[in-house]
Amino acid sequence: DTAVSQTPKYLVTQMGNDKSIKCEQNLGHDTMYWYKQDSKKFLKIMFSYNNKELIINETVPNRFSPKSPDKAHLNLHINSLELGDSAVYFCASSPRGGRWDEQFFGPGTRLTVL
Amino acid sequence: AQSVAQPEDQVKVAEGNPLTVKCTYSVSGNPYLFWYVQYPNRGLQFLLKYITGDNLVKGSYGFEAEFNKSQTSFHLKKPSALVSDSALYFCAVHLSSNTGKLIFGQGTTLQVKP
Repeated sequence: DTAVSQTPKYLVTQMGNDKSIKCEQNLGHDTMYWYKQDSKKFLKIMFSYNNKELIINETVPNRFSPKSPDKAHLNLHINSLELGDSAVYFCASSPRGGRWDEQFFGPGTRLTVL
Repeated sequence: AQSVAQPEDQVKVAEGNPLTVKCTYSVSGNPYLFWYVQYPNRGLQFLLKYITGDNLVKGSYGFEAEFNKSQTSFHLKKPSALVSDSALYFCAVHLSSNTGKLIFGQGTTLQVKP
């Protein structure tokens, strides 16, 4: 099936650990995104890549580092995890990243930091 | 600052009745407006968008939205609600720059009662 997929779906870890979330899209899109949804369901963009180039880099702690090995993949690495990092992280993609493009979202990764 | 607001945290309607989920926006330049729906434990799904043209936009699952420039609103509507429409609805606006950056409203939970 064509889709945006994320692994893992659930991630439970201790404070101070380092973890990664992987995202893949097989829609042939040029642009990929990472969003954070907090406990109040508020959704905020973190990063965006267009054809492996960083386009959007919001005010996010340096502990968060995205990596795009190719335009179909966008991974998120988080160092020294903190309690406040607990959230659902969504990956998304869009055809060209233009203002008119709808975005296609993955199922999310629920990160719980203990 | 460019923003989008959803004034109601929750909307409750009876099945078969019309529904409206409200959204107002504040952007510089022409607005590019979107509605997304999030079912429990799922990623967001695109419903419809307004780019230009007809103020009444039709989308997926029988939803439509009316763009009103004078009131800076983009309310989501459906003539006859279904129980399966119960979900979290997000209004979003693309910022003026062509980066694909979406700003989301805080979300409105729609509850359709049988």
